[in-house]
Amino acid sequence: DAMVIQNPRYQVTQFGKPVTLSCSQTLNHNVMYWYQQKSSQAPKLLFHYYDKDFNNEADTPDNFQSRRPNTSFCFLDIRSPGLGDAAMYLCATSRDVAGAYNEQFFGPGTRLTVL
Amino acid sequence: KQEVTQIPAALSVPEGENLVLNCSFTDSAIYNLQWFRQDPGKGLTSLLLIQSSQREQTSGRLNASLDKSSGRSTLYIAASQPGDSATYLCAVRGNNAGNMLTFGGGTRLMVKP
Repeated sequence: DAMVIQNPRYQVTQFGKPVTLSCSQTLNHNVMYWYQQKSSQAPKLLFHYYDKDFNNEADTPDNFQSRRPNTSFCFLDIRSPGLGDAAMYLCATSRDVAGAYNEQFFGPGTRLTVL
Repeated sequence: KQEVTQIPAALSVPEGENLVLNCSFTDSAIYNLQWFRQDPGKGLTSLLLIQSSQREQTSGRLNASLDKSSGRSTLYIAASQPGDSATYLCAVRGNNAGNMLTFGGGTRLMVKP
């Protein structure tokens, strides 16, 4: 089945130790998104890629970076994780950013713990 | 700026009851509205997408309606089951600058056996 895959599902890191989360998709969608979700809150968009075009949300901290080496893969790099970065990180894809038909699909998420 | 509100924030019902979840949004300039389900500790599962020109969509026991002019959507769940217990999120995709999804805060549903 076509899907959005995230690895690992659970990640533990130490305060200040860089960490990378990965996402892959078999949907061949143009757009890939990264969201941060904290307990009992709605997902918060960090950034998205339209193909190779990177779009950062205005309030995304500089500590968060992303790479998209090809259509299928997208990575979230947290350069120096703080305790406040502990959260669920969700990857999502859509065929486009515009259009009434445009449906967004999410991966299972990576739960990040910062010690 | 688009704002999306979901009422109630939490709902507990006995098994078998029909129920309605509400979603309202402030800017009617949208491409579509999506309803998602999220189980604890998991990702979001897309349940239904309603395009801006549509009035409703159905999938199994789920029926979602959209009244774009009044900025409202409802998700109707028929004959609720304990397995329906989850958080339900609605999100709208604006057709103005950005075109990103704007999420509501979710309704946490508990269906008791």
